[in-house]
Amino acid sequence: DAGVIQSPRHEVTEMGQEVTLRCKPISGHDYLFWYRQTMMRGLELLIYFNNNVPIDDSGMPEDRFSAKMPNASFSTLKIQPSEPRDSAVYFCASSADSYEQYFGPGTRLTVT
Amino acid sequence: AQSVTQPDIHITVSEGASLELRCNYSYGATPYLFWYVQSPGQGLQLLLKYFSGDTLVQGIKGFEAEFKRSQSSFNLRKPSVHWSDAAEYFCAVGRGKLIFGTGTRLQVFP
Repeated sequence: DAGVIQSPRHEVTEMGQEVTLRCKPISGHDYLFWYRQTMMRGLELLIYFNNNVPIDDSGMPEDRFSAKMPNASFSTLKIQPSEPRDSAVYFCASSADSYEQYFGPGTRLTVT
Repeated sequence: AQSVTQPDIHITVSEGASLELRCNYSYGATPYLFWYVQSPGQGLQLLLKYFSGDTLVQGIKGFEAEFKRSQSSFNLRKPSVHWSDAAEYFCAVGRGKLIFGTGTRLQVFP
């Protein structure tokens, strides 16, 4: 299996632009998680899905952030408009049982 | 409140020396506990997990961890560290919604 796939690996954008991060979970995994990692706040769970349905989005920082999972093999995390404080590494993880989570390589986002 | 504390921000050991990374947790129910490792520029890799049963769990790359309920601890150990173990190590607790510690950066000297 290819593991969790994330794209792009690096994204540099200007403040105010829309950013879309993409994730393909491991086939057969029913749970998908989005995390953000920063030096100041460490690893934070933003949102997670079960069977394509959002279960807990309490970690989404504000309305500028949105996440969708249109099918079992694809999810997006969108930031609109982006701000410099959104600069971070965003990880996607998937799980068959919600316990053992397998992480993707991450997307490093820089907002200038 | 649920939380994970990794008291050591940075640890340096010599190659071949033993290693112990500390993790303390606060969790209302029976905890599910995890250790992950992150190499620079990489995602997190699961080293080992504890759900129930034997309190000493074995993981990949020669790591083990011991769950001590009385001390709310889940320390990671390795008897002999290799240079390739240099990375950041994260302890986590939770069921589904994982709460991560702040990480311990391990440096290995030859």
